[in-house]
Amino acid sequence: GAGVSQSPSNKVTEKGKDVELRCDPISGHTALYWYRQSLGQGLEFLIYFQGNSAPDKSGLPSDRFSAERTGGSVSTLTIQRTQQEDSAVYLCASSPWGGANTEAFFGQGTRLTVV
Amino acid sequence: QQQVKQSPQSLIVQKGGISIINCAYENTAFDYFPWYQQFPGKGPALLIAIRPDVSEKKEGRFTISFNKSAKQFSLHIMDSQPGDSATYFCAASIDYKLSFGAGTTVTVRA
Repeated sequence: GAGVSQSPSNKVTEKGKDVELRCDPISGHTALYWYRQSLGQGLEFLIYFQGNSAPDKSGLPSDRFSAERTGGSVSTLTIQRTQQEDSAVYLCASSPWGGANTEAFFGQGTRLTVV
Repeated sequence: QQQVKQSPQSLIVQKGGISIINCAYENTAFDYFPWYQQFPGKGPALLIAIRPDVSEKKEGRFTISFNKSAKQFSLHIMDSQPGDSATYFCAASIDYKLSFGAGTTVTVRA
């Protein structure tokens, strides 16, 4: 595809349920990021994947959050036992390679609402 | 805590005017300072970026000014147009990890 694709665009879930958010990065991009954007806040780093290296999970807010990247391409962010404070827009980005001064290309995001 | 502080939260400018957004940081290890533009319902897109060894960078109507000693940088939008109405985020990075400001919503009135 031409850009980073995320699905679903919107997700409404009940408190306590698990959700999975999907990201298809730009073909050939080795680096993939997940960010969270809460209302009125900047983007908060969650996790970073680069090639076959161990992911940087330092931004995950709790052990209810996990992410994987299969085959160096598609990534899934999973939130278990969702809470109302998890409501936000979850943004995925990819870049041609990891490292400094690299442009990150963002998807349109998944808006998660926990009711 | 927010590593990059951005102001103002919002601004309104007349068509043809100048929009100025300011950002400040504390961590001197940051080595890349991009600005992202975000339209409603879309993901952020890179607008312009600067490295700390440069004091100013201009691309079209957009200019970044960088003051390393003050640990501040700003975005100037010259001749603002209605199509510039969007939310702008400054950011700073160490290696691959971007730290974003809280964003500034710019409204350009025709």
